[in-house]
Amino acid sequence: NAGVTQTPKFQVLKTGQSMTLQCAQDMNHNSMYWYRQDPGMGLRLIYYSASEGTTDKGEVPNGYNVSRLNKREFSLRLESAAPSQTSVYFCASRPTGRDTGELFFGEGSRLTVL
Amino acid sequence: DQQVKQNSPSLSVQEGRISILNCDYTNSMFDYFLWYKKYPAEGPTFLISISSIKDKNEDGRFTVFLNKSAKHLSLHIVPSQPGDSAVYFCAARATSGTYKYIFGTGTRLKVLA
Repeated sequence: NAGVTQTPKFQVLKTGQSMTLQCAQDMNHNSMYWYRQDPGMGLRLIYYSASEGTTDKGEVPNGYNVSRLNKREFSLRLESAAPSQTSVYFCASRPTGRDTGELFFGEGSRLTVL
Repeated sequence: DQQVKQNSPSLSVQEGRISILNCDYTNSMFDYFLWYKKYPAEGPTFLISISSIKDKNEDGRFTVFLNKSAKHLSLHIVPSQPGDSAVYFCAARATSGTYKYIFGTGTRLKVLA
């Protein structure tokens, strides 16, 4: 059972380069989320998608774009990477129906921007 | 403005004793509160949650208490074990219909053998 899968797990970019972080879930969840984790800052919400076809900004959306390609996949794109975007990125999804409030997280993608 | 706050960055506890992790929130429009545990180089894993209409939820060694008048929640771990050493995040879910989750900054728990 894969759950939430993120690729790549590690990436090093130069300032100004672009890249896309991929996220896929196989649990038939409607809602998906992208967070970044920085030391002393906890987990901050970048973008989320309540359902297929919809996306909304979170707390720190600047410098990012997202695409909810289908129900399974939610990608995060950095068009022109900056050193301030060096972080660990987590994708998460929320179950539909049964509600304990729980979010399921992927293992994370560590991004370094030089 | 930080809507969910964990004011203690770290906590050390002896094995077998109780660990108490605290969290404060500033917004009343949350319907669920959650605790997550995170080991290095792994994603956060769900521990326990509590609905805003309850004041206590228990699951094995883990109990979450919610004090709505004080806008405060706490996680009790009894007895604490070395394997509990991790970073603990509290989170709150907004009731706006979009199910947005706001996380605290985390508390690093170290359980000493």
